[in-house]
Amino acid sequence: KQEVTQIPAALSVPEGENLVLNCSFTDSAIYNLQWFRQDPGKGLTSLLLIQSSQREQTSGRLNASLDKSSGRSTLYIAASQPGDSATYLCATEGSNYQLIWGAGTKLIIKP
Amino acid sequence: NAGVTQTPKFQVLKTGQSMTLQCAQDMNHNSMYWYRQDPGMGLRLIYYSASEGTTDKGEVPNGYNVSRLNKREFSLRLESAAPSQTSVYFCASTLDSTDTQYFGPGTRLTVL
Repeated sequence: KQEVTQIPAALSVPEGENLVLNCSFTDSAIYNLQWFRQDPGKGLTSLLLIQSSQREQTSGRLNASLDKSSGRSTLYIAASQPGDSATYLCATEGSNYQLIWGAGTKLIIKP
Repeated sequence: NAGVTQTPKFQVLKTGQSMTLQCAQDMNHNSMYWYRQDPGMGLRLIYYSASEGTTDKGEVPNGYNVSRLNKREFSLRLESAAPSQTSVYFCASTLDSTDTQYFGPGTRLTVL
């Protein structure tokens, strides 16, 4: 059974720093891995989707990588801003088309 | 496009009461999902509908029923609410398995 873990559960960094969020998964047989952002009291917004055949995806200041062999993905945020403060969740999609979710990393960017 | 809409936004129930959470999407998506989110945990899939006319159980289906009314609408029913069903419920939809999921704003449900 797939398990998805995100460590740390919370992270606080000064504005302007580059940072990396981690996501690990136990079963490498995935179709894709997705990163989402959740703001307090809101729904989730998709940030990046990496297909299993891809190694990375980029969108603006965000870069997500995927290493299936080691069961790891990272989300790199460049030049962080206070508006990046949110909870970031990763999820893997398997053969049954269901997403298995990590518990998220709560990110706080201090001005 | 409104995207994915959910009603109500908040609800308080007493143990044993029933209610239906409504979800609709206007993106012509084929698949729709119901999740619950509890503190410190990832989202857990309750039920999903891969296409109009089909529904399947997810990870935590007990205590819930669903109806895919048409391509746009997917409702979640709690027949006899229990305190363990206190949670935030999210509806999502996707065009197909290669696409990401789009989420509604959530329903915060408290069962006393």
